[in-house]
Amino acid sequence: QQQVKQSPQSLIVQKGGISIINCAYENTAFDYFPWYQQFPGKGPALLIAIRPDVSEKKEGRFTISFNKSAKQFSLHIMDSQPGDSATYFCAASMIGGGSNYKLTFGKGTLLTVNP
Amino acid sequence: GAGVSQSPSNKVTEKGKDVELRCDPISGHTALYWYRQSLGQGLEFLIYFQGNSAPDKSGLPSDRFSAERTGGSVSTLTIQRTQQEDSAVYLCASSFLGRRNSPLHFGNGTRLTVT
Repeated sequence: QQQVKQSPQSLIVQKGGISIINCAYENTAFDYFPWYQQFPGKGPALLIAIRPDVSEKKEGRFTISFNKSAKQFSLHIMDSQPGDSATYFCAASMIGGGSNYKLTFGKGTLLTVNP
Repeated sequence: GAGVSQSPSNKVTEKGKDVELRCDPISGHTALYWYRQSLGQGLEFLIYFQGNSAPDKSGLPSDRFSAERTGGSVSTLTIQRTQQEDSAVYLCASSFLGRRNSPLHFGNGTRLTVT
């Protein structure tokens, strides 16, 4: 059972455009939703994260939008740059007690930003 | 400071052989995770260590897989009698539990190829 579904699998955007990646989850007990960015040959690195008590979180050009009733969340990359080309993973877990215990990841989106 | 270190970075082994993968977490991090990344499959949780508590082994795919963490620091993932389907990138991550929303810090992984 795939608990976090991510789409699209791949995305091509022109420089300066908006990149949008969507995720949907099934487990209503999830209460922590991070996005990780992975460059080839490197491990994933935390990009931005959100808790379900807010509907949106923005950090620079990166924004997470969260819809609790629909059990969906998305990553928006504004003014996309070639350096943003990477694989992006959404994830979810149950914080409970301040831990990031057992993140469940989506299958990833390969983003290519053309110059 | 130093990040999560994994060795070897690449490992090629013959089917049926045993392999050991090593992870050095960030100093002071109390939690350690192993994930497996297969092409197009995202990150699959394998095992989680937290302090002196019994590890969560619920993600290990078979009894050929085992892991230990010595002295609350270095961890070794062992795969016995390797099969071709074990070929993947094995990622280790650590985090500091007790600090709200402490992110997972991933190493660059060990790419395992079983021939």
